[in-house]
Amino acid sequence: QVTLKESGPVLVKPTETLTLTCAVSGFSLNTARMRVSWIRQPPGKALEWLADIFPNDEKSYISSLKSRLIISKDTSKSQVVLTLTNVDPMDTATYFCARAEMSTVSFDYWGQGTLVTVSS
Amino acid sequence: DIQLTQSPSTLPASVGDRVTITCRASESVISWVAWYQQKPGKAPKLLIYKASTLQSGVPSRFSGSGSGTEFTLTISSLQPDDFAIYYCQHYNTYSWTFGQGTKVEIK
Repeated sequence: QVTLKESGPVLVKPTETLTLTCAVSGFSLNTARMRVSWIRQPPGKALEWLADIFPNDEKSYISSLKSRLIISKDTSKSQVVLTLTNVDPMDTATYFCARAEMSTVSFDYWGQGTLVTVSS
Repeated sequence: DIQLTQSPSTLPASVGDRVTITCRASESVISWVAWYQQKPGKAPKLLIYKASTLQSGVPSRFSGSGSGTEFTLTISSLQPDDFAIYYCQHYNTYSWTFGQGTKVEIK
């Protein structure tokens, strides 16, 4: 059974660094044609893809936030970590991790999401 | 970057209605479009991938079609459980894009 679960702080202050962890089970982070992505959704707004990490550790990022994002994985722990530096209230959102199945080019499994509020 | 534009933004409908949502891409995306359903407070759920392939477990009243720059998601007979927000999605060269969403609401 494939599951993903996000964890991290609920509240972060402006200019701080946000670190989120996605714990996966039911598949390996080394599985060919599987990636893990981070996607966020500000309250009442649309989904926005942020970053993903490939089995070979290659990474890709949304161009508008590339300078502030780092994605990494620990295969032995089955975790994917997203770091967002210098946060702003505009970064307030529910953050999801999701598995991208590249044979279907879609996100077939999602975590429940974690709401992060940026406020002083 | 390829942009996806969904229409309409809001779709008032009644149970039993046939509902169609359109997703237009700013350039050809061949058939690499997926559709998701999202309910309040929940993660999106994959409905359709590769424009027209139904994800396992998704009711057959959902269907997808299209290629190139225009894609549609159709619900043949709207059920009470189908009132939700629907998103299209595309992947191209290391970047994923979502449409802005279509809310199917009770008329």
